[in-house]
Amino acid sequence: AQTVTQSQPEMSVQEAETVTLSCTYDTSESDYYLFWYKQPPSRQMILVIRQEAYKQQNATENRFSVNFQKAAKSFSLKISDSQLGDAAMYFCAYRSTGTSGSRLTFGEGTQLTVNP
Amino acid sequence: KAGVTQTPRYLIKTRGQQVTLSCSPISGHRSVSWYQQTPGQGLQFLFEYFSETQRNKGNFPGRFSGRQFSNSRSEMNVSTLELGDSALYLCASSAAGLSYNEQFFGPGTRLTVL
Repeated sequence: AQTVTQSQPEMSVQEAETVTLSCTYDTSESDYYLFWYKQPPSRQMILVIRQEAYKQQNATENRFSVNFQKAAKSFSLKISDSQLGDAAMYFCAYRSTGTSGSRLTFGEGTQLTVNP
Repeated sequence: KAGVTQTPRYLIKTRGQQVTLSCSPISGHRSVSWYQQTPGQGLQFLFEYFSETQRNKGNFPGRFSGRQFSNSRSEMNVSTLELGDSALYLCASSAAGLSYNEQFFGPGTRLTVL
């Protein structure tokens, strides 16, 4: 079974600064998807960024980018130019490309605080 | 396009009762997945339904069950409620439930068991 670990329960960053959230995972599969989701106080889960394991190029979405290290099974999220609206719980998630359908395995989450 | 909707948004029940939660996916989506979120256990996968069939199931007791209707709307049921069932229940829909399909989450149903 796959596992996802987020070792930083809480992180804080100053507005306009850069912060990196860490995520490691364990799997025996060679092809899979990795995601970062954001959950603000409203509890609505929002997809931030996703990475296909077969792609070596790191995914980027505006101020959000990832550092995907497949051999190390590491998948960190970098938020540049942090904004107050980035404050939320961030979850790293794994999805197999096999027969498990849409099943997501989540990490424990990292609570991000953005200080003005 | 309307997003994923879940009803009710909040629910209070007592131990031993049963509860039914509803999820309406985005129009055209055929896959619905359910997750339980608690402070202690985090986000855990309950089950997934695709075209009215349960396709995948997490490690939850048989008190947790679900179904999907022909219009892709899904319900989950919890019987003989326990205090530990208090949680935020999230559902997510995707077009075909394939691994590359993006999942869209609903706002959740907050269940409190007294």
